[in-house]
Amino acid sequence: QQPVQSPQAVILREGEDAVINCSSSKALYSVHWYRQKHGEAPVFLMILLKGGEQKGHEKISASFNEKKQQSSLYLTASQLSYSGTYFCGSASYSWGKLQFGAGTQVVVTP
Amino acid sequence: GAGVSQSPSNKVTEKGKDVELRCDPISGHTALYWYRQSLGQGLEFLIYFQGNSAPDKSGLPSDRFSAERTGGSVSTLTIQRTQQEDSAVYLCASSPDREYQPQHFGDGTRLSIL
Repeated sequence: QQPVQSPQAVILREGEDAVINCSSSKALYSVHWYRQKHGEAPVFLMILLKGGEQKGHEKISASFNEKKQQSSLYLTASQLSYSGTYFCGSASYSWGKLQFGAGTQVVVTP
Repeated sequence: GAGVSQSPSNKVTEKGKDVELRCDPISGHTALYWYRQSLGQGLEFLIYFQGNSAPDKSGLPSDRFSAERTGGSVSTLTIQRTQQEDSAVYLCASSPDREYQPQHFGDGTRLSIL
């Protein structure tokens, strides 16, 4: 089942912060975050694993609440380059397919 | 090194025709995935390959869709008797076949059915 992302869209000024949430009704092994710019391929940002380990981006942080099956992505001191659509992908097994949310469009303005 | 390569980048065809989409994964990546992205939508899982076998075909929307992978490398997604609702961007991704690996996406094939 597809995870639910919120908000659907957010507009930020450069330097502002934002939080993107992703929740699933199924138990998760991991949550993956990707960013996609218009007309381009999704680019991997980070993986959050059961037990709290994170793998990925230096400037973007995230959390994973296993009990609630929720993950949040934190955009801190946003830069223009952060603009794009952010997707969370949930994995019900330690490898294999991802179920992606509908995406959160982020627009960072000067 | 080279990333995931997909061809063609764009394909326009008439309703009812068959199409083949190709994916060349990153060398050494034994896991390969096909996803579909309709305009303004998220990514919809289609099929997952481990080597040449497909343990998860659960996302293929109908029996008009099929995929194969040969030599543990190149994969082909075939859509027979295309319909207008098949119009979308078809994305391929690959990863090492180990736990908790990021998936690396190609630029996709934009398929338009007239």
